[in-house]
Amino acid sequence: SQTIHQWPATLVQPVGSPLSLECTVEGTSNPNLYWYRQAAGRGLQLLFYSVGIGQISSEVPQNLSASRPQDRQFILSSKKLLLSDSGFYLCAWQLQGAINQPQHFGDGTRLSIL
Amino acid sequence: AQSVTQPDIHITVSEGASLELRCNYSYGATPYLFWYVQSPGQGLQLLLKYFSGDTLVQGIKGFEAEFKRSQSSFNLRKPSVHWSDAAEYFCAVNTGGFKTIFGAGTRLFVKA
Repeated sequence: SQTIHQWPATLVQPVGSPLSLECTVEGTSNPNLYWYRQAAGRGLQLLFYSVGIGQISSEVPQNLSASRPQDRQFILSSKKLLLSDSGFYLCAWQLQGAINQPQHFGDGTRLSIL
Repeated sequence: AQSVTQPDIHITVSEGASLELRCNYSYGATPYLFWYVQSPGQGLQLLLKYFSGDTLVQGIKGFEAEFKRSQSSFNLRKPSVHWSDAAEYFCAVNTGGFKTIFGAGTRLFVKA
């Protein structure tokens, strides 16, 4: 069966510091991968998605970036964090070529910026 | 543009009472429809999905949802709510692309 892992689970970072959040998927090949941010009490905002290695689509211009160095690895990064980057970050995967199929989510990373 | 509306930001029901969470979408054709549940500090878990066929779909944890094309709705129901159902519920729509559009969510409170 397929599983998705996100780490770390929680992170406290100072303003201006770099960021790297990692997401890996097991049990499937060439999945579609997604990064979302969820602000407190609000819905999901799609940040990035990827349909293959090295292929990244950005939904919201900001100081975050994403990379997919391997088929089942998706990384969310920032060179300099802002206070507004605080939130709950969720990674999700979906079967490749199956856009009518649901997305499956990791347990998320709670990011607090001080 | 496609959109998903969950009119209720939060709902409170008594344990054992029935539940209905509303979801309306905006799209010209029949989309792919999903309901997810999120417990505090956790990711989203899929409850059920609708693609075609029978408009009443059954999901996990005793939930069901009914697709009504004429009302562009996909409401989630449960006949008897348990305290463990307290969570946030998200309706989501995929209209055939890579992106799934999520509603803003409805937080469910269950009182004893």
